[in-house]
Parts: sequence; C-alpha cells; structure tokens
Amino acid sequence: GAGVSQSPSNKVTEKGKDVELRCDPISGHTALYWYRQSLGQGLEFLIYFQGNSAPDKSGLPSDRFSAERTGGSVSTLTIQRTQQEDSAVYLCASSLAAGGSSYEQYFGPGTRLTVT
Amino acid sequence: AQSVSQHNHHVILSEAASLELGCNYSYGGTVNLFWYVQYPGQHLQLLLKYFSGDPLVKGIKGFEAEFIKSKFSFNLRKPSVQWSDTAEYFCAVSGFTDKLIFGTGTRLQVFP
Repeated sequence: GAGVSQSPSNKVTEKGKDVELRCDPISGHTALYWYRQSLGQGLEFLIYFQGNSAPDKSGLPSDRFSAERTGGSVSTLTIQRTQQEDSAVYLCASSLAAGGSSYEQYFGPGTRLTVT
Repeated sequence: AQSVSQHNHHVILSEAASLELGCNYSYGGTVNLFWYVQYPGQHLQLLLKYFSGDPLVKGIKGFEAEFIKSKFSFNLRKPSVQWSDTAEYFCAVSGFTDKLIFGTGTRLQVFP
C-alpha cells in the first residue's frame, strides 16, 4: 500500500485495561508522528520520531502513554490503565524527514479508541 | 507557545458562493503554515502549504491561501464552492520541530 496504515481501526476497551495501537508509515519515511483527535481537545500532537528516537515527547498527556518505533518503520503507541478521557481517534502521520524540513506529513485513517 | 485560532467554527454556504476561512497563529519564529481538509469518513489530507516565497499559495481543488506576516494570518479562500467541498478544514502551523499545531477546525457545509 502507498499510504500510512493504522490498526486496529476501532478499539473498544474497558477502563483500566492496556491498549496498543499500531502505525505503519509510508516506506522510506524517516519521520513519524502521533496525534489524537477528540471532541473536547481538537487535534493534539503527542510524540514524534526521527528514525527510532523520539526527540519530542512533549504532547504525551501522562506517563500512562508511551510509544516506540523499531527498525525505523512500525510504531506502537501504548496506553496503560486506560481512562474514559483517553477516548479519541489516534492519528499517525509520516514524512520523508523532519527538523525544519519542508516535507508534507501524510496521515493515516486513525484508530478510534473507546474506553467504557 | 505556538497556537492557532480558527474563528469560524461552522460555515454554511450555497454552491457557487465564495469562501474565506480565517486562521491566525501565534509563534515567535519562522513558521510553516498548512491547511488540511477532512472529508466525511476520510482521513486528513493536505490542501496547501506555505514554507517561504510567494505569500499567495495555491492548493488542490481551487483553494488558495495568503500568508500575511504582519497580521499573523493564513486565511483560506475559494472563489466558488461546490457541494463536494463539504468537509472540516484545519489550519496548522509548525516550527523547527515539524510537529503540527492545529486550530480547532471549521466545519463547512455547502448546499446545492
């Protein structure tokens, strides 16, 4: 596929459970970003990766949130002990590079997380 | 801190009407500016972007935006909207880290 893919597309979980969200960026894209879209907060930046390192984690809302990227490709966003306020659409984007470059970010379809 | 304001939350137009969506940003350095669109049931896609050069940028589907540095604005325009332009529009800014800071979005409804 040519675009950014995310899985699962929908996830319903009980409060207190852990969830993992996956992002497959466009092949060759070194920069990867996680955002979330919720009714109350709009579109918020969470974290970005350049290769496998995360120079900017400033948007992660709490220490329950973590993310990793392996092999400069797939990334996983993990939310531990989910809370109802974590309900949102989690979006992943990738671009050719980062750090003041002029490359477009391409967005995936998102994972809709519902915490009951 | 960077921030983006979109003053129009919901805009309703008839086909062929002209469109202007406001976007103001707050940032103390060099910025890159974007408009993204999210059609119903689809994911975010880029309409247009400004990095440098001509402050009037043209994007896809007949959209354009003008960067006015003195006003910290990057308003989106289209001379004649179509029903297919019904979507949510997001203005965004990035600085040296490339993370996007989004406005709250404007929902556009176009009626035939």
